[in-house]
Amino acid sequence: AQTVTQSQPEMSVQEAETVTLSCTYDTSESDYYLFWYKQPPSRQMILVIRQEAYKQQNATENRFSVNFQKAAKSFSLKISDSQLGDAAMYFCAYVGQGGSEKLVFGKGTKLTVNP
Amino acid sequence: DVKVTQSSRYLVKRTGEKVFLECVQDMDHENMFWYRQDPGLGLRLIYFSYDVKMKEKGDIPEGYSVSREKKERFSLILESASTNQTSMYLCASSLPHRGSPLHFGNGTRLTVT
Repeated sequence: AQTVTQSQPEMSVQEAETVTLSCTYDTSESDYYLFWYKQPPSRQMILVIRQEAYKQQNATENRFSVNFQKAAKSFSLKISDSQLGDAAMYFCAYVGQGGSEKLVFGKGTKLTVNP
Repeated sequence: DVKVTQSSRYLVKRTGEKVFLECVQDMDHENMFWYRQDPGLGLRLIYFSYDVKMKEKGDIPEGYSVSREKKERFSLILESASTNQTSMYLCASSLPHRGSPLHFGNGTRLTVT
């Protein structure tokens, strides 16, 4: 079964600085999708960014970008120019080919942004 | 924008009660999901539905059942609530494609006493 590991339960960053959240996954599949979701305190979980495994180019959404290393099975999220509103739980997620759209989530990283 | 609405934000129930958690989405999504979120454990899938009356067990289905009689509504049922089912429950919906993002509700925090 596929697993997703987020090795940093908590991270902190100074406002305006850059932070990288780590995610590794275990799979034998070659075609899959990876996601980062953000859950602000007491608020709804939302999609931050998505990466298709067959695409070499790293996905980017404004201040959010990923470093996708397929061979290493690594999918880290970089947040540039951190803002107070970036403080949240961040979850990495994987969905593979296996005939179902069920995502597997990591345990999450709590990001604190210090003013 | 897709809206996923969970009927209760907070719920307190007694051990042994039958509990219904309701979820409605307004974007005609085929897929609907129920996740349980616990600190340090992330999100764990309870049940997944890919069409009306169709369901698949997730990773932790024990003690839960689901109902999907209409496309827009997906209910999670705790047949006999127990204290270890105290948790945050998240409903989500998506289009029937692996790359489609999940759209989440605000969550229901259930306390079983």
